[in-house]
Amino acid sequence: SAVISQKPSRDICQRGTSLTIQCQVDSQVTMMFWYRQQPGQSLTLIATANQGSEATYESGFVIDKFPISRPNLTFSTLTVSNMSPEDSSIYLCSATDGGSGTEAFFGQGTRLTVV
Amino acid sequence: KQEVTQIPAALSVPEGENLVLNCSFTDSAIYNLQWFRQDPGKGLTSLLLIQSSQREQTSGRLNASLDKSSGRSTLYIAASQPGDSATYLCAVSGNFNKFYFGSGTKLNVKP
Repeated sequence: SAVISQKPSRDICQRGTSLTIQCQVDSQVTMMFWYRQQPGQSLTLIATANQGSEATYESGFVIDKFPISRPNLTFSTLTVSNMSPEDSSIYLCSATDGGSGTEAFFGQGTRLTVV
Repeated sequence: KQEVTQIPAALSVPEGENLVLNCSFTDSAIYNLQWFRQDPGKGLTSLLLIQSSQREQTSGRLNASLDKSSGRSTLYIAASQPGDSATYLCAVSGNFNKFYFGSGTKLNVKP
């Protein structure tokens, strides 16, 4: 199993600013993902972080708002840009190792509050 | 688009009861189904993973079943304890390991 660490664990930010969330996996993994969990809601996939290339975004999410980097097989960042109160959510990093059907592991999440 | 539904949304039981959480999904073309536990303000802890070719998995007091053709899964918790109180999430995986989540069942086990 993979252990995933996220930083920061929580933050309170001013509207209009940006926050970068870091995700570190303790071993090399095939795939990394970013999810959002809005208050009282379940998880929604934002994008797949691709190593060395642009992330693949799900419908409703765009690169300008959520730029993602993945420079190697163990690390990824998600930036939430030009934040508004509607961006207040828990952001979770996930990883799987192997082809389709492998187990997913999650970080502890970053609780973001935008004021 | 895959839709995942969990019933009930909330459940409160006295300690020691056996209970069943339900999950249904609309597209049976899944690779696996995973049950997670989420404590308030925390990330997700994986409980059980069932591959699409499997019918059930067991871990301690937990047993999960999968009926892929009918789009259903159940999580059975035996002899519930207050420490089991959490939100339980069901997720199914499609192509490229993308997971689709249900809205969860919030469980409260009363001492």
